[in-house]
Amino acid sequence: DTEVTQTPKHLVMGMTNKKSLKCEQHMGHRAMYWYKQKAKKPPELMFVYSYEKLSINESVPSRFSPECPNSSLLNLHLHALQPEDSALYLCASSQAGGTGGIYEQFFGPGTRLTVL
Amino acid sequence: GQSLEQPSEVTAVEGAIVQINCTYQTSGFYGLSWYQQHDGGAPTFLSYNALDGLEETGRFSSFLSRSDSYGYLLLQELQMKDSASYFCAVRKAAGNKLTFGGGTRVLVKP
Repeated sequence: DTEVTQTPKHLVMGMTNKKSLKCEQHMGHRAMYWYKQKAKKPPELMFVYSYEKLSINESVPSRFSPECPNSSLLNLHLHALQPEDSALYLCASSQAGGTGGIYEQFFGPGTRLTVL
Repeated sequence: GQSLEQPSEVTAVEGAIVQINCTYQTSGFYGLSWYQQHDGGAPTFLSYNALDGLEETGRFSSFLSRSDSYGYLLLQELQMKDSASYFCAVRKAAGNKLTFGGGTRVLVKP
């Protein structure tokens, strides 16, 4: 199984709502990532989890709260978002650590988020 | 800081060859990756170069020169399905982190 799954595919939420994005992989990867991507722009890294611990937070506002309940799951909790947070949110996974060999991140299909 | 530069758009006809250049400035460089993304789709891995030289995978090849902070992706025998955005991305020394270039939109015409 070389697939990263994300739910939901689409999400519309108001600025006062609380919602969560979910990501799952069963490739045994110990590094998982959240990216934000605006139209016609590259993916921007938000968070990295390595061995279920948060290792990188790219100065993301606190209205985005990541969680890694176990080695297969990654959540992104959303609260009090702004319209400018509307974007495609991508989850990815990879082998953790090491510098030898091929370094490949596997991306999920993304959640398209609209904040009204 | 770090930066990656790649052309914003390239147009070519079916069967042609396209080279997408990527120059980068970064400290603690580990390797250069290339990803393809079709409209509405997720990025998919194409190649990763950690050492100088050319890596060939079917119609796609990738090259890296660490001393010149430069790499390229070569797309050969272009097909309509190759119309997509192509991103170079630098892997840095500190942790599992990829920083993407702005992307090159490739349009293949009949």
